[in-house]
Amino acid sequence: AQKITQTQPGMFVQEKEAVTLDCTYDTSDPSYGLFWYKQPSSGEMIFLIYQGSYDQQNATEGRYSLNFQKARKSANLVISASQLGDSAMYFCAMREVGSARQLTFGSGTQLTVLP
Amino acid sequence: EPEVTQTPSHQVTQMGQEVILRCVPISNHLYFYWYRQILGQKVEFLVSFYNNEISEKSEIFDDQFSVERPDGSNFTLKIRSTKLEDSAMYFCASSEGQGKVNTEAFFGQGTRLTVV
Repeated sequence: AQKITQTQPGMFVQEKEAVTLDCTYDTSDPSYGLFWYKQPSSGEMIFLIYQGSYDQQNATEGRYSLNFQKARKSANLVISASQLGDSAMYFCAMREVGSARQLTFGSGTQLTVLP
Repeated sequence: EPEVTQTPSHQVTQMGQEVILRCVPISNHLYFYWYRQILGQKVEFLVSFYNNEISEKSEIFDDQFSVERPDGSNFTLKIRSTKLEDSAMYFCASSEGQGKVNTEAFFGQGTRLTVV
């Protein structure tokens, strides 16, 4: 079974609109961390936001927020007020306490922001 | 701001040749990683390294691969005899570690390896 599932291979959003990128995960560990990374066309991996399994509140970082629904095992990324520079591939990733040294990535969502 | 640096940014090599990809992790980090991303696919874990030895490796990391920390700063990935299917972007990452799930991994900008 896939540990991280991103069901949207591609998404389009109008500039200045909000967009939600889906991520579901599978783990039996009670302690885990969820990460979102952005990969622009230049190829580098840019850390965006982190959510811990025991965090009571949803994480926010500027225009990025994480809609964490633990019972549903989902950790969707919300980007508010999309900008043209947000066009990129977005990866959801998880670190489990049982394997706390590595990240498992989803297949990614290619986001295109339209002017 | 400290960052992970990787060299070269792009390497082209003949099939069967050895390549060494180099990384300088963030200086106070304890855990080091290599990941690869075949074009258009997900990022895959290769190996993690802690306290001068491999701590975990994936099934991708076979005998053709090795890692080394030859001095206090560099962290290298060697592919002994490259195959066409080794063509990918290779990312080095480092983290403060200590096994905490909330430890962010900082990624380098990647080395694009092309095997011809």
